[in-house]
Amino acid sequence: QKEVEQNSGPLSVPEGAIASLNCTYSDRGSQSFFWYRQYSGKSPELIMSIYSNGDKEDGRFTAQLNKASQYVSLLIRDSQPSDSATYLCAVKPSNDYKLSFGAGTTVTVRA
Amino acid sequence: DAGITQSPRHKVTETGTPVTLRCHQTENHRYMYWYRQDPGHGLRLIHYSYGVKDTDKGEVSDGYSVSRSKTEDFLLTLESATSSQTSVYFCAISAAGDSEEQYFGPGTRLTVT
Repeated sequence: QKEVEQNSGPLSVPEGAIASLNCTYSDRGSQSFFWYRQYSGKSPELIMSIYSNGDKEDGRFTAQLNKASQYVSLLIRDSQPSDSATYLCAVKPSNDYKLSFGAGTTVTVRA
Repeated sequence: DAGITQSPRHKVTETGTPVTLRCHQTENHRYMYWYRQDPGHGLRLIHYSYGVKDTDKGEVSDGYSVSRSKTEDFLLTLESATSSQTSVYFCAISAAGDSEEQYFGPGTRLTVT
């Protein structure tokens, strides 16, 4: 079982819709969770961090964390063509300062 | 790119030659990491450093070595490059502390022929 798994995608959404990305992790003791956005040919860019159960909103992005169910999600509201990218989920396992990354979900926002 | 540079940005080399990639940061962060990214595998940790001269292996360290003689520089060396090491290499940094947010450099595209 992979440490971090993401919905495989690709995910295609119309402009203005909500894109929903999911991520599950295996280490129940994990405490820190991150979402990165990666445009084609570019490096990953940190867009959200979440550490506590519940929702965290930043602009059009909302991260949701449920430690009991071991999942973290990212919602992109009012999706724009500029949101077309691969989104990487990263988890910091317990007792470790390295991150485990999921394989990524590619999102395409069609105009 | 959070004060991180990588050099070279692109390199083509032949099988069997040694290659050194450099990561330089201006943030004075304690932790530095080297990843490779390949289609179907995502980001995989090669080596990391938790301080000057303090390094450890990641999940795909075979064929790679690292050195960190200064806080700002983290070098990745391919002792004898193989075609399987053709990849995009990213350096990342994070500050000491609880947040563990990592910030990535622009990457180096390495092709081994």
